[in-house]
Amino acid sequence: EADIYQTPRYLVIGTGKKITLECSQTMGHDKMYWYQQDPGMELHLIHYSYGVNSTEKGDLSSESTVSRIRTEHFPLTLESARPSHTSQYLCASSDSGQGIIGELFFGEGSRLTVL
Amino acid sequence: AQTVTQSQPEMSVQEAETVTLSCTYDTSESNYYLFWYKQPPSRQMILVIRQEAYKQQNATENRFSVNFQKAAKSFSLKISDSQLGDTAMYFCAFMKHAREKLVFGQGTRLTINP
Repeated sequence: EADIYQTPRYLVIGTGKKITLECSQTMGHDKMYWYQQDPGMELHLIHYSYGVNSTEKGDLSSESTVSRIRTEHFPLTLESARPSHTSQYLCASSDSGQGIIGELFFGEGSRLTVL
Repeated sequence: AQTVTQSQPEMSVQEAETVTLSCTYDTSESNYYLFWYKQPPSRQMILVIRQEAYKQQNATENRFSVNFQKAAKSFSLKISDSQLGDTAMYFCAFMKHAREKLVFGQGTRLTINP
């Protein structure tokens, strides 16, 4: 089992609410990622970070924002949730210095439903 | 930009059979990395197998092996003696070099029937 944790696993909220999806890893990995995945569908990279205070937008435009103040923590925030944000959000991390190149360690995902 | 295509949205086989999942990609690079990731139902996605393009020998990991055809830009995954636990979404992925991001295919849903 990979040491990367996401909370909450499931979240049902109303439109307009602010939400934060938490992601933490205890492996000391420098790179972290957020993917958006509709059930049974492909993954879309929405944010990534190559280290503390470094964040970039991914290939899929997203209204969410991220921060990387600590190496182990990479939270994703939606200021005002809408039904179109309903999806599964996967967090992942990797180590650019050691380990298998290209091996991402994934969390179990956060399934968000916006009513 | 690199693209990865998995043309089989769903596949289903009987337990103990061999199954092959297809993946093609498009790149102008000569050296790169290819991967197969497995996403079991309600569980974490994990790396199954990896291939470096400069290596001619096909990678193998126990019951999992790949058929890497560089000229054809094809990277299929073969699962031998399939087991119920192999039921999952399988994603093919491409990476240009170590500093680049992974590009995933659309995924293939594989079901192993008892």
